[in-house]
This record gives sequence, structure tokens and C-alpha cells, in this order.
Amino acid sequence: EAGVAQSPRYKIIEKRQSVAFWCNPISGHATLYWYQQILGQGPKLLIQFQNNGVVDDSQLPKDRFSAERLKGVDSTLKIQPAKLEDSAVYLCASSVGQWQFFGPGTRLTVL
Amino acid sequence: SQQGEEDPQALSIQEGENATMNCSYKTSINNLQWYRQNSGRGLVHLILIRSNEREKHSGRLRVTLDTSKKSSSLLITASRAADTASYFCAAYGGATNKLIFGTGTLLAVQP
Repeated sequence: EAGVAQSPRYKIIEKRQSVAFWCNPISGHATLYWYQQILGQGPKLLIQFQNNGVVDDSQLPKDRFSAERLKGVDSTLKIQPAKLEDSAVYLCASSVGQWQFFGPGTRLTVL
Repeated sequence: SQQGEEDPQALSIQEGENATMNCSYKTSINNLQWYRQNSGRGLVHLILIRSNEREKHSGRLRVTLDTSKKSSSLLITASRAADTASYFCAAYGGATNKLIFGTGTLLAVQP
């Protein structure tokens, strides 16, 4: 079974630029999550989708972050404009029950 | 912050020794999950203990849960160099059934 795919794996941008991350979940997994993991901390949930609907986006900084899952399969997370404090690993996960399966993450560095 | 805490923050042991990590959480839970994260394999699910369980075993892993104290512990017996990683507890529950991760314990197993 293929795992959760994410791209790119690494991204370096300057502050105020835009960036987008892509995630393809495990086939058949209805629930998709985006997490932000700052160095030395545990992952923090940004947004949770059930199929193509948003279940929880309470911790998503909506003035600069957006996410979509248009066809209920793959998803994109966008940051516009980026700030220095957005430097982190962005993890995508999917689940069909209470276990979550994580992708390798995208390491974002904002200079 | 809803994020739980783990202690110790870092632990260094010799191969063959046991490693114990403790986790405290803040929310009501359906279950408590433990994950391992290393640079090679990303974030991987290890074991899940339900709120009505007190102890669970899986191979060299033993997890305990005390819901009255909102705490859990993970014991890794007969540790190996390959166990070197960061370990996170994650509380699952709440209105949207989301995972709230702890701050993590960095385990180093010296060969």
C-alpha cells in the first residue's frame, strides 16, 4: 500500500513570498490533516478535512494560510505572504479510523 | 496551549537498557497514541491505548494510562540503537476528535 505523498520535500523562500504544498493521501482515506511542526515541538493541527469539507480549521491563520481539497482526494496548503515564523515542517496525514498515517513532510525555510 | 507535555525532554541510554517516557495531557480523551519520529521514516504510529484500558503491550513496548491523572508512560525494553528517535504522545478526543501532540522526548540509544 502506498503511503501519504507530499511535495516538495524542501522549500526555501524569502519572507513575503508565497508557497504551496501538495499532499496525496492513502487511497480510500476520507480524512486528511495538515500539521505544522516547529523545530523542537510536536505537530500542531492546522486543518482537518472530511472528504472535501472542512471539519476543523480553528488553528489555521486564515489571514495568510489557505487549504483546499476540491475533489476529496489530494490537497494543497498555501501560505501567502510567508513570515519568518512560518519556518517549520508541514506534515500531511490521512486516516480512515483513529490511526493517522503521516507523509514525509515539507521542510519550509523562510529567510 | 492545549499541547501536552512529555518528560524527560531528552534521554540518553546504552543499548540493552530500558527507556521510560512520561506524558501528561490536558483534554478528555477517547484514546492516547504514541508516535515515533526520525529523519529516515518520518512520523510513525506505534501504539494506541483506549481510555478504558490501563496497560497495553506491543512487542518491546509497554504503555500505561492513568486517566485520573491525565498521564501516560511508554516503556521501551531492551533498547536498540535503531530506537534512537523522538517519541510523541498524542491525545485523541474532544468535539472534533483531533490529535493533540505532546512536546516529545528525544531518545538517544548508544551502541
